[in-house]
Amino acid sequence: QQPVQSPQAVILREGEDAVINCSSSKALYSVHWYRQKHGEAPVFLMILLKGGEQKGHDKISASFNEKKQQSSLYLTASQLSYSGTYFCGTGTTGTASKLTFGTGTRLQVTL
Amino acid sequence: KAGVTQTPRYLIKTRGQQVTLSCSPISGHRSVSWYQQTPGQGLQFLFEYFSETQRNKGNFPGRFSGRQFSNSRSEMNVSTLELGDSALYLCASSDPGTVGEKLFFGSGTQLSVL
Repeated sequence: QQPVQSPQAVILREGEDAVINCSSSKALYSVHWYRQKHGEAPVFLMILLKGGEQKGHDKISASFNEKKQQSSLYLTASQLSYSGTYFCGTGTTGTASKLTFGTGTRLQVTL
Repeated sequence: KAGVTQTPRYLIKTRGQQVTLSCSPISGHRSVSWYQQTPGQGLQFLFEYFSETQRNKGNFPGRFSGRQFSNSRSEMNVSTLELGDSALYLCASSDPGTVGEKLFFGSGTQLSVL
């Protein structure tokens, strides 16, 4: 079963913050986050593993609540380059094998 | 290193035909996964190949098949095409065994079935 992402879409002004949530009904071992710009390949952002620490990448960070099987992606002081569709991919092992992806969150950052 | 390469970039076929898509992974990556991407459904896992063997399979009909060669290049085949097979097909390679293994995606093959 696919993880549920929320919101489905969000529009921000440059400099604003956003949170994207990913929720699964399965017991998870890993959560991957990818960003896809229109017409391009999805690009890896970060991975969170069960028992691991919250990850950060420049002004993008993420958390993983193992008890609730939920992950959140935090975008701080958004830039125009953050625009795209964000996908979470969930895994039940420590590998990238057979990830189950959510339907995506479309993020648009405007001036 | 060169990224994941998928060919062709675009394909137009008619119902009932078959199609073969190709994927060249990043050098050194032994695992290749295939995903189908459609609006509203996101990325749906098709199958994964590792060392020329199918290691995992998603919930797609038998019309969807694949294989992997000794150089890790992979092909995906769809037989008896249906209108609903129109989608972006993404290939991703990875290096199994690395901590925090991640997928590297190609730009995809856009398949249109008329």
